[in-house]
Amino acid sequence: DIQLTQSPSFLSASVGDRVTITCRASQGISSYLAWYQQKPGKAPKLLIYAASTLQSGVPSRFSGSGSGTEFTLTISSLQPEDFATYFCQQLNSYPYTFGQGTKLEIK
Amino acid sequence: EVQLVESGGGLVQPGGSLRLSCAASGFIFSTYEMNWVRQAPGKGLEWVSYSSTGGTTLYYADSVKGRFSISRDNAKNSLYLQMNSLRADDTAVYYCARRSGWPYYFDYWGQGILVTVSS
Repeated sequence: DIQLTQSPSFLSASVGDRVTITCRASQGISSYLAWYQQKPGKAPKLLIYAASTLQSGVPSRFSGSGSGTEFTLTISSLQPEDFATYFCQQLNSYPYTFGQGTKLEIK
Repeated sequence: EVQLVESGGGLVQPGGSLRLSCAASGFIFSTYEMNWVRQAPGKGLEWVSYSSTGGTTLYYADSVKGRFSISRDNAKNSLYLQMNSLRADDTAVYYCARRSGWPYYFDYWGQGILVTVSS
């Protein structure tokens, strides 16, 4: 199975900050990586797919990059509604594993 | 509007069984591959099971293999998860999720349904 390791697990930041979350795969997954945002009590929401393609309706302050084994999610200027937990997911092969999550908190 | 609505969750004793349903609407269900994903309280996301469009190709996480069974009824626009021999560590919110075509992603998720395994 392909393991995904996200870092950091927790991130404290302020409104307006630029933040980056990293997701590393245990083996190459080309660009088969998605990023999701989850708020408490809600289902995950797709942000980015194919490593760098922004899902329709998602603000442009979100961006993704990477291929192979290393990927990043960047939020260019944090807004109050961005404080949530973020997960990466590999869709290269089943089982479709997720990273352990990064909780983004208000400083 | 695409909608996925789970039902069938609840409290069950260890060793018991439960059948989850996911009712789909707003899209041509028979043309999409579907998945179940779960999330234990306060934990991360765990992929559970996959069904091809026709229900002939099925995958399971090792943690549920031999105990859970995924199925679908395209005439009823519904996805199911039969869960047997339930254990305390199966306690989670279960989501059904639609997988897009290539390059693959889970674009729509249900609201989730809580399954609690406890005596």
